[in-house]
Amino acid sequence: GAVVSQHPSRVICKSGTSVKIECRSLDFQATTMFWYRQFPKQSLMLMATSNEGSKATYEQGVEKDKFLINHASLTLSTLTVTSAHPEDSSFYICSARDRTGHSPLHFGNGTRLTVT
Amino acid sequence: QQQVKQSPQSLIVQKGGISIINCAYENTAFDYFPWYQQFPGKGPALLIAIRPDVSEKKEGRFTISFNKSAKQFSLHIMDSQPGDSATYFCAASKSGSRLTFGEGTQLTVNP
Repeated sequence: GAVVSQHPSRVICKSGTSVKIECRSLDFQATTMFWYRQFPKQSLMLMATSNEGSKATYEQGVEKDKFLINHASLTLSTLTVTSAHPEDSSFYICSARDRTGHSPLHFGNGTRLTVT
Repeated sequence: QQQVKQSPQSLIVQKGGISIINCAYENTAFDYFPWYQQFPGKGPALLIAIRPDVSEKKEGRFTISFNKSAKQFSLHIMDSQPGDSATYFCAASKSGSRLTFGEGTQLTVNP
């Protein structure tokens, strides 16, 4: 089945530093990837939609300069949290769909970010 | 407005019992309704999904019932097991676009 690999699974960083999270589709080509944020005991909140070769589309209220998304290839999208602050601590999850657009959405295993 | 409302927020079921989680949506353009299972510290995993041209879909112990006129769909877990204890999310989307998630249901199956 389709596999989405997310790395790292857990990261701790200091305030003011930047953190990059990678999302890879391992056995399919993903023209579209989605980045979500999830707080404890809450649902997934869509942050942005990443399209290969073009700029990401951000949801209302999500700072595009803070959460940089790059989708440079059909198998890799990255989310960079810039100048991280403790309030950015959260569970970040990516998902991807194959290029036909009709397959189910598959999720990575998430990245637990803790900003100290 | 693209919303999906899910209930209950939490559910406790005895082993062997039936777990039922309900969702209601507003956008009649939605044409894909998946259910995801999420364990702590993990990403959601697709459990089962349905499209509006059928009223029911069954895969093993998991069944989706879909009521298009009422704009509701539900997940039934038969013979619930402690290993089913997880958070379940319903979702909906239109033509392969972004998913709109429900609020989630934390299921606990007691041994």
